[in-house]
Amino acid sequence: NAGVTQTPKFQVLKTGQSMTLQCAQDMNHEYMSWYRQDPGMGLRLIHYSVGAGITDQGEVPNGYNVSRSTTEDFPLRLLSAAPSQTSVYFCASRVAGAGELFFGEGSRLTVL
Amino acid sequence: EDKVVQSPLSLVVHEGDTVTLNCSYEVTNFRSLLWYKQEKKAPTFLFMLTSSGIEKKSGRLSSILDKKELFSILNITATQTGDSAVYLCAVPTTSGTYKYIFGTGTRLKVLA
Repeated sequence: NAGVTQTPKFQVLKTGQSMTLQCAQDMNHEYMSWYRQDPGMGLRLIHYSVGAGITDQGEVPNGYNVSRSTTEDFPLRLLSAAPSQTSVYFCASRVAGAGELFFGEGSRLTVL
Repeated sequence: EDKVVQSPLSLVVHEGDTVTLNCSYEVTNFRSLLWYKQEKKAPTFLFMLTSSGIEKKSGRLSSILDKKELFSILNITATQTGDSAVYLCAVPTTSGTYKYIFGTGTRLKVLA
């Protein structure tokens, strides 16, 4: 079972570069979300989606863009990377309703 | 403002000890509270609690929710070095489209 798959696992960017973190799930989950995890800050919600074509902002959305064209995929785009975006990013999904979140393995991003 | 607070921030114990981790919350429209264990990578699901006073149990781990006092505890008995991890507490908030608020976690280290 693949579950939630994130790519890449590691990435180094220079300030100002753009990139996309990929997230795919094969569990037919309606809800998908992106978190960033920083030391001492816990997991903070960036963006989330409750279905194809529907996205909304979380707690820390600035500098990130998302789209949801299919149920399976929820890419996170960094438009112009900044050192403050150095973090570990997790994609998570669940079925409809406030239940268990299933997490991907994470993507460690470093912005120089 | 919705918030989730975990205590202690970190804890060092010896194998065989019993530990109690705390999670207090203030959220609108409370529905559930989730506990996760995070070792090196993705958080893995432990428990979801929705009803006050009903203990969830899995092996040496157990958890209970107090909806009147707005907190939950996670107990680990007879700790082992494999229990070393960060334990996260999360609460979904906002009716309709759910956002999850995570605590900053408790880092548990179990010494042999």
